[in-house]
Amino acid sequence: GAGVSQSPSNKVTEKGKDVELRCDPISGHTALYWYRQSLGQGLEFLIYFQGNSAPDKSGLPSDRFSAERTGGSVSTLTIQRTQQEDSAVYLCASAARGLQETQYFGPGTRLLVL
Amino acid sequence: AQSVTQLGSHVSVSEGALVLLRCNYSSSVPPYLFWYVQYPNQGLQLLLKYTTGATLVKGINGFEAEFKKSETSFHLTKPSAHMSDAAEYFCAVSGGTSYDKVIFGPGTSLSVIP
Repeated sequence: GAGVSQSPSNKVTEKGKDVELRCDPISGHTALYWYRQSLGQGLEFLIYFQGNSAPDKSGLPSDRFSAERTGGSVSTLTIQRTQQEDSAVYLCASAARGLQETQYFGPGTRLLVL
Repeated sequence: AQSVTQLGSHVSVSEGALVLLRCNYSSSVPPYLFWYVQYPNQGLQLLLKYTTGATLVKGINGFEAEFKKSETSFHLTKPSAHMSDAAEYFCAVSGGTSYDKVIFGPGTSLSVIP
């Protein structure tokens, strides 16, 4: 596709359940980022993938959060044993190469943990 | 490590007035600097960026920003505000090393008063 896509667009889950959020970056983009945006807040960095290098996981808030990127393309963010404070919009962005490149953002996944 | 501060979580201007949104950063290496905009119910998109070269950068919709190394600033301006400029604006910084991440500021919400 022409842009970054994310699925699902909305997810409602019960506390304690696991969720998987998917990101399809722009074809050919080697960099992929996950952010979390809570209501009225800025973007909180979660994880950064660049090519085949080991990802920068320094932003993941707890060990309940994990992410992988298969084949250098699609990425999945997994939240285990969800908590109410995990409720937020999860944004994915991709960029052509390095840190000087423009990030192209997906529409986000709105997660609500009841 | 880089960090970004945006003075004023909310700014209101009259239609036709000057828009000035402030951004200061800290970085141990020459930074790449970005302004992104998030219109209501839309995804983030790039307004403008500074990587190298001319320190006055022009972006979309009449916005511009000037990189001032001595002041560690990258303030965003527009001579005349339009109602359509009402949005959330995020300043972001990334470093020159390969594995540094892009850090976003907390955002400034711009309101334009008729």
